Amino acid sequence: DGGITQSPKYLFRKEGQNVTLSCEQNLNHDAMYWYRQDPGQGLRLIYYSQIVNDFQKGDIAEGYSVSREKKESFPLTVTSAQKNPTAFYLCASSIIVLWGQSTDTQYFGPGTRLTVL
Amino acid sequence: AQTVTQSQPEMSVQEAETVTLSCTYDTSESNYYLFWYKQPPSRQMILVIRQEAYKQQNATENRFSVNFQKAAKSFSLKISDSQLGDTAMYFCALSTGANNLFFGTGTRLTVIP
Repeated sequence: DGGITQSPKYLFRKEGQNVTLSCEQNLNHDAMYWYRQDPGQGLRLIYYSQIVNDFQKGDIAEGYSVSREKKESFPLTVTSAQKNPTAFYLCASSIIVLWGQSTDTQYFGPGTRLTVL
Repeated sequence: AQTVTQSQPEMSVQEAETVTLSCTYDTSESNYYLFWYKQPPSRQMILVIRQEAYKQQNATENRFSVNFQKAAKSFSLKISDSQLGDTAMYFCALSTGANNLFFGTGTRLTVIP
C-alpha cells in the first residue's frame, strides 16, 4: 500500500520535554510538509522540504525543528521552546512538477494528536 | 497575500439531497490551484476535488462538483445525493506554488438520515 504514515497517533508530553513526531511516505514524493491544526482553525504550515537535506520555515516554525535525511522521512521535533504545543499535527507530501515553481496535490497522513500534561 | 474564506461554519443536509459549500479566495497570482479537502471524524485530510485556475471547465468527481468563478474569486463545492459518510469538516484551500497551501477555517457538514 502506498501512502503516508504518522506515528504515534496520540502523544503526551510533559512540560520542558522535547518530543519527535514521525512521518514516513512511500509515494516517492519530493516534497514533504508539516502542519498544525488548532480547534476551529484551518491548517498552518510549520516546515516544508523539497529535497533531502534541505528544508524551509513555514508560518509558525518557532519552537519546532525538522530534518530530512531521507526522501521518505520528515520527522518533526516539538521543543520545549514551543509555548503552546497541544494541537493536531498533520504531515503531507507532494510531487514537484517544476523545481520550486509549481505544485501538485498534497496528500496527508492520519495525523498525531499531541497533548501537554 | 493569499486568503481563503469559508463563511459557513456549519451546514446540514438531508440524506440524498444536494448541498453547496461556499468558498471565496484572494490572490494576486495568475496561476494557482484550488482544492476541497474533507476531514471526517478520523481527522485525516482527504482530497475531494481539485481545480486548476487556467482551466475554465469546472472539475467533477462523481457526486462532487465545483462552481469556479474566477472573476468573482469564488470556488463552491456541490455535493449531490448526500450520504451519511459525507458528514465531515470540509476545507477549501488555495495553492500558488510548491511551498504553500492556504486553508480556510472549514465548514462542518452534517448529513441527516
